[in-house]
Amino acid sequence: EAGVAQSPRYKIIEKRQSVAFWCNPISGHATLYWYQQILGQGPKLLIQFQNNGVVDDSQLPKDRFSAERLKGVDSTLKIQPAKLEDSAVYLCASSLDWGRTDTQYFGPGTRLTVL
Amino acid sequence: AQSVTQPDIHITVSEGASLELRCNYSYGATPYLFWYVQSPGQGLQLLLKYFSGDTLVQGIKGFEAEFKRSQSSFNLRKPSVHWSDAAEYFCAVGNTGTASKLTFGTGTRLQVTL
Repeated sequence: EAGVAQSPRYKIIEKRQSVAFWCNPISGHATLYWYQQILGQGPKLLIQFQNNGVVDDSQLPKDRFSAERLKGVDSTLKIQPAKLEDSAVYLCASSLDWGRTDTQYFGPGTRLTVL
Repeated sequence: AQSVTQPDIHITVSEGASLELRCNYSYGATPYLFWYVQSPGQGLQLLLKYFSGDTLVQGIKGFEAEFKRSQSSFNLRKPSVHWSDAAEYFCAVGNTGTASKLTFGTGTRLQVTL
């Protein structure tokens, strides 16, 4: 079974530029998550989708971050414009459903460096 | 709101020695608890999870964890560490609602000396 796929693996941009990350979850997984992991910290949930609807985006900085999962499968996370403090690893995860007992499976992440 | 504390930022053990990584949680009810491992350049991999029942949970790669409600702890253990266990370990707690939101600790980096 293929795992969660993410691209690109690395990205370096200048501040105020825009960037987009792509995630393809495990086949059949209804729930998709985007996490931000700043160096030295644990992952922090940015947004959670159930199929193509948003379940939780309370920690997403909506003035600059956006995410979509139009067909309920793959997803894109965008930052526009980027700030220095956005330098982090962006992890995508998926789970079969959205219950508390559902295991989340993580992709390898995209490491973003903002200069 | 729930929270997780991992008091040890960095731990070094010798190969073959035993390991215990500490995790303390703050949660109003019976928590759902998880341990994940992250190797360099890799995503997080689930080691084990606790929902209910037996407080001693067995996981993959020879790891186990014990839920102690009285101490609000969920410490991870392994009787004999291998060099390949060097990685970062994260404890996490499930959220208060029905949705599967995780709150992670800051992680413990494990170094294994030969």
